[in-house]
Amino acid sequence: AQSVTQLGSHVSVSEGALVLLRCNYSSSVPPYLFWYVQYPNQGLQLLLKYTSAATLVKGINGFEAEFKKSETSFHLSKPSAHLSDAAVYFCAVSEKRDDKIIFGKGTRLHILP
Amino acid sequence: DAGITQSPRHKVTETGTPVTLRCHQTENHRYMYWYRQDPGHGLRLIHYSYGVKDTDKGEVSDGYSVSRSKTEDFLLTLESATSSQTSVYFCAIREGGFYNEQFFGPGTRLTVL
Repeated sequence: AQSVTQLGSHVSVSEGALVLLRCNYSSSVPPYLFWYVQYPNQGLQLLLKYTSAATLVKGINGFEAEFKKSETSFHLSKPSAHLSDAAVYFCAVSEKRDDKIIFGKGTRLHILP
Repeated sequence: DAGITQSPRHKVTETGTPVTLRCHQTENHRYMYWYRQDPGHGLRLIHYSYGVKDTDKGEVSDGYSVSRSKTEDFLLTLESATSSQTSVYFCAIREGGFYNEQFFGPGTRLTVL
């Protein structure tokens, strides 16, 4: 069965500092992996997706994520945090034959001015 | 913009009353999903649909029913609302792309008193 674990329900970084949000997954077959972002009072927005074409995936707003099969990880990063990056970030996993996506519990990112 | 609307956006109701939430899409996509979002639980799938009159249960389907009589509309009904169903409900669509990504509506905040 698929599952996703996000390490840290809250992460705080200073403006301009590196953002690193951690995600580990479990899947019996090569997965599709996603990062979504949720700004206050909004729905989820797709940041980026891994589909096996490349292990380093670039997304919107300067975010990128690296797929590491040996570590079953898909961590999200951004070199320099902006105040506008404050949001909740969800990692998610799916499998090719499955209609569903399994979401992690989310990590709330706080940006300190 | 995936063209998803949800109505109502906010609702307050009393325990024991029936409630119907509507999700409407303008893009003619086959798959539609209903999730609930609660603190500490992330997003949990309630029901989903893979075509007109074709639906299936998710992980938290008890107390909920769905209907899809037209491609563009997916209705979620709480037959007799309970306080435990106070939550934010999100609809999502899957565009039929190869990689299972879903796109979300703006959400409905439901409070059951």
